Amino acid sequence: GENVEQHPSTLSVQEGDSAVIKCTYSDSASNYFPWYKQELGKRPQLIIDIRSNVGEKKDQRIAVTLNKTAKHFSLHITETQPEDSAVYFCAASRTYGNKLVFGAGTILRVKS
Amino acid sequence: GAVVSQHPSWVICKSGTSVKIECRSLDFQATTMFWYRQFPKQSLMLMATSNEGSKATYEQGVEKDKFLINHASLTLSTLTVTSAHPEDSSFYICSAPPGGTGINYGYTFGSGTRLTVV
Repeated sequence: GENVEQHPSTLSVQEGDSAVIKCTYSDSASNYFPWYKQELGKRPQLIIDIRSNVGEKKDQRIAVTLNKTAKHFSLHITETQPEDSAVYFCAASRTYGNKLVFGAGTILRVKS
Repeated sequence: GAVVSQHPSWVICKSGTSVKIECRSLDFQATTMFWYRQFPKQSLMLMATSNEGSKATYEQGVEKDKFLINHASLTLSTLTVTSAHPEDSSFYICSAPPGGTGINYGYTFGSGTRLTVV
């Protein structure tokens, strides 16, 4: 089955700097890749997603890139703010609507 | 947008008892519900997929007799942790996939249930 690896496990950045989180997946048939932000004890919130027919997608300070050949995708957050501090999870799915397989998560700390 | 209501939000139970967790889709019909378990500081691990009108599909290593999943209607899916033990203490969260009936709301997560077995 699908396996998603996520790095780093923790990331500390200074406010205003950029943060990059990377994920690799094993199932070449996967074609939907969302990123979620989760605060302690809360439900995950979708922040951005990308499908396999697209290489990059951007939404204000957040962008995701996908390299299907290498089977990896990355989350980029620019101009980080303290409120960006949370746990971020990547996920992969064979098709949009199928089960999501999550990465291990990255604790992002933005220091002011 | 779509809302999945999950109850209870937290529960403390004695070892050996059973606990039922409910997830209701409030404004759409969910023919499928994914159930995840999340231990502290860990990822969301898929336990099973419930399907309205048919048996649930369990992930490898998940005990079917211990984690009973029922999808009674198009708006209700339940997870019952039977004979709970302290190692079952975790955060359980449900998620309805996008699509529902007619309108694409994206994956919709419940608010989660914090189970503590003492």
